Amino acid sequence: EIVLTQSPGTLSLSPGERATLSCRASQSVSSSYLAWYQQKPGQAPRLLIYGASSRATGIPDRFSGSGSGTDFTLTISRLEPEDFAVYYCQQYGSSLTLTFGGGTKVEIK
Amino acid sequence: QVQLVQSGAEVKKPGASVKVSCKASGYTFTSYYMHWVRQAPGQGLEWMGIINPSGGSTSYAQKFQGRVTMTRDTSTSTVYMELSSLRSEDTAVYYCAREDQGSSLGYWGQGTLVTVSS
Repeated sequence: EIVLTQSPGTLSLSPGERATLSCRASQSVSSSYLAWYQQKPGQAPRLLIYGASSRATGIPDRFSGSGSGTDFTLTISRLEPEDFAVYYCQQYGSSLTLTFGGGTKVEIK
Repeated sequence: QVQLVQSGAEVKKPGASVKVSCKASGYTFTSYYMHWVRQAPGQGLEWMGIINPSGGSTSYAQKFQGRVTMTRDTSTSTVYMELSSLRSEDTAVYYCAREDQGSSLGYWGQGTLVTVSS
């Protein structure tokens, strides 16, 4: 089973700053099947990025995804107040299995 | 528009079973796989399994094998997740989510809180 490790656990930043979130896989992951989600308290997760770098419908272009193999990154170019939330990466593996990372909380500094 | 509407909150005793429903609308029900994901209080997301609404085939996370059953009713465009032998650690919000591009989860239900308490 592929394990996804997200770092850092918490990121303390100010609005307007750049956020860089990491997702590392225990073995190589197909870029086609790597996604990122945003979750705010009391809400369901929202898809941000699929296929490692494609933005989902309606997602602002300050969100970008990159990476391949075992190392993937979600970048928020300039944090807006509504971007403070928890972010999860997710991979879709063989045999119809799916795995989430442990999450990174982006909090206001 | 795509909507996934889940059944309401449940309170169950240890050892009991719970069945959560997820009614889909706004798209062709049998064309997209559906996943179930849960989230314990203050914890991360945990994948439970997947169902193909077309044929009904399923695949479950190893952790839940033997305790979870996912089914569907194509006449009502509804998928179900039943979890048995409940214990306190199963207290969580349970989500259904539709598979989308790149096998991501593009649409989510609103979540169903299941509380297991004696």
